[in-house]
Amino acid sequence: KAGVTQTPRYLIKTRGQQVTLSCSPISGHRSVSWYQQTPGQGLQFLFEYFSETQRNKGNFPGRFSGRQFSNSRSEMNVSTLELGDSALYLCASSAKTGQDGYTFGSGTRLTVV
Amino acid sequence: GENVEQHPSTLSVQEGDSAVIKCTYSDSASNYFPWYKQELGKRPQLIIDIRSNVGEKKDQRIAVTLNKTAKHFSLHITETQPEDSAVYFCAASKGGGSNYKLTFGKGTLLTVNP
Repeated sequence: KAGVTQTPRYLIKTRGQQVTLSCSPISGHRSVSWYQQTPGQGLQFLFEYFSETQRNKGNFPGRFSGRQFSNSRSEMNVSTLELGDSALYLCASSAKTGQDGYTFGSGTRLTVV
Repeated sequence: GENVEQHPSTLSVQEGDSAVIKCTYSDSASNYFPWYKQELGKRPQLIIDIRSNVGEKKDQRIAVTLNKTAKHFSLHITETQPEDSAVYFCAASKGGGSNYKLTFGKGTLLTVNP
């Protein structure tokens, strides 16, 4: 059974640019969540999608957005990149609620220069 | 919103000793408490979880206890081994409605010395 796949693994972008990250959940999983991991702030919740609907959103600026497709694959977009957006972005999937256990992907390491 | 405090931030033990990591949460409606292990450069992996209708859960050398009244839960690792060295994160969730998110503690770096 394939795990959660995130692409790309590494990205280097310049301030002001935008970036799109992709996440393919475990087959059959319909809930996809995104987290930002930084040394100082730990793991912070960005948003969660289920059946193409955003069910919950964390305290991030509107520059951070996401979507989910009918096949449960999800993308997140960050516009007008800032140096502080440099982080590991983790995607996690679960069958339905998250309380059935989240499986994380390996993440996308974003560096903004 | 929910706030999860985790202590200690670093923990160093000798191989074979026990390790205990403690977390407190603020929202009494939280009802699901997972623990994740993240080795250097790898993804967080779920190692054990507990729900609010259970006080304790064990899985081989790992156990988790929950005190709903005090709003704290703990991870216990017995007979530690060098491969237990990692960052451990606790989390809390209340589920239902639109609350399908995990709020994480800041993590504990566990080092097991051979």
